[in-house]
Amino acid sequence: QSVLTQPPSVSGAPGQRVTISCTGSSSNIGAGYDVHWYQQLPGTAPKLLIYGNNNRPSGVPDRFSGSKSGTSASLAITGLQAEDEADYYCQSYDSSLSGWVFGGGTKLTVL
Amino acid sequence: EVQLVESGGGLVQPGGSLRLSCAASGFTFSNYAMHWVRQAPGKGLEYLSVISGNGGSTYYANFVKGRFTISRDNSKNTLYLQMGSLRAEDMAMYYCARALATTSPLDYWGQGTLVTVSS
Repeated sequence: QSVLTQPPSVSGAPGQRVTISCTGSSSNIGAGYDVHWYQQLPGTAPKLLIYGNNNRPSGVPDRFSGSKSGTSASLAITGLQAEDEADYYCQSYDSSLSGWVFGGGTKLTVL
Repeated sequence: EVQLVESGGGLVQPGGSLRLSCAASGFTFSNYAMHWVRQAPGKGLEYLSVISGNGGSTYYANFVKGRFTISRDNSKNTLYLQMGSLRAEDMAMYYCARALATTSPLDYWGQGTLVTVSS
């Protein structure tokens, strides 16, 4: 059981908008620690997608955005494209564990 | 170009040991904290360990504490993970990743090295 909870799967049609939630607690997201998001395309290593809750590294399309409120964070993807089909993971720091934790991951299917 | 290349994975018997390496290039290695993350087949990412840029500070997830040791050789631009008392549940792809500080996001990842634990 992951410290950060994500839905196992989400889906959407090309061009649509989807969101992926990441629910934590008062010892991680709720404590004010930043949330980062990673995209893992099939058969490849994870790639940083969003850092510091809502910042995109250079080269990441602005179709991807992040937000954080209270003990939760969300990743939104607009204008879904076939190449967005991947697994997405949130990450934050947990003070009770004194270390980093990942969400369980969400598989995005583009219909 | 930033490159992280893991090596050292392979087949090991339960109870055995293995040392993974992560060769870094394209950046000033000693300026970055380095992390190990693993992923069991068909499963999610699991955070393992981090070491600070100068090697003076380390952290381990509880489930590997006492069995795994992270270290680095800044003169060789290489990160290590010494794994002992390996169990079937340690079978996974092991990734190294860099971060500007121990609390920063993991901005570059290697391609991983596969560890198989089986008799």
